[in-house]
Amino acid sequence: GQQVMQIPQYQHVQEGEDFTTYCNSSTTLSNIQWYKQRPGGHPVFLIQLVKSGEVKKQKRLTFQFGEAKKNSSLHITATQTTDVGTYFCAATDSWGKFQFGAGTQVVVTP
Amino acid sequence: NAGVTQTPKFQVLKTGQSMTLQCAQDMNHNSMYWYRQDPGMGLRLIYYSASEGTTDKGEVPNGYNVSRLNKREFSLRLESAAPSQTSVYFCASSVVSLNTEAFFGQGTRLTVV
Repeated sequence: GQQVMQIPQYQHVQEGEDFTTYCNSSTTLSNIQWYKQRPGGHPVFLIQLVKSGEVKKQKRLTFQFGEAKKNSSLHITATQTTDVGTYFCAATDSWGKFQFGAGTQVVVTP
Repeated sequence: NAGVTQTPKFQVLKTGQSMTLQCAQDMNHNSMYWYRQDPGMGLRLIYYSASEGTTDKGEVPNGYNVSRLNKREFSLRLESAAPSQTSVYFCASSVVSLNTEAFFGQGTRLTVV
């Protein structure tokens, strides 16, 4: 089955800096979703990308789906302490089951 | 609207004990899932149910059983708990669709000693 790989596993960021986390697959994906999990919390849906080359923005977060639909990225500008947490990418297979990446744990230093 | 509700939130078991984790959703979703989350491993699918009366194994089903009692409820049972099952367990639900999002419960933190 399809697998989604996320890098990096950990990201230490100085407050105010930008960073990017990546999600890669060896197979073409029908869609890619991003979730955020705050420390001690549960994953919460952020966004879904479906079209090749699609770019969506949510305030300081920019999500991109690759042209070949095999990779995706999440870029956060001017990181704030509220961005702390683990970010997961996920893809659904033809049966509607979700395959999650291992996540990128983000730590923000004031 | 409660969404996805899991009980209990915390549990400590002794090796060999059994227990059932409960999950209920009030969003009229057909699909329900059980995941476990371990450090560095992300969310791994234990079992999946596409509809009432159907269940399928996921990536890590060994040591677990599930029951889709009705459309709302999906329970996870550990028959003989082992320390390797210490984890955070999440239940989730979604609409049956290729392009849909998963809604998660608050999680159950299970420790097996």
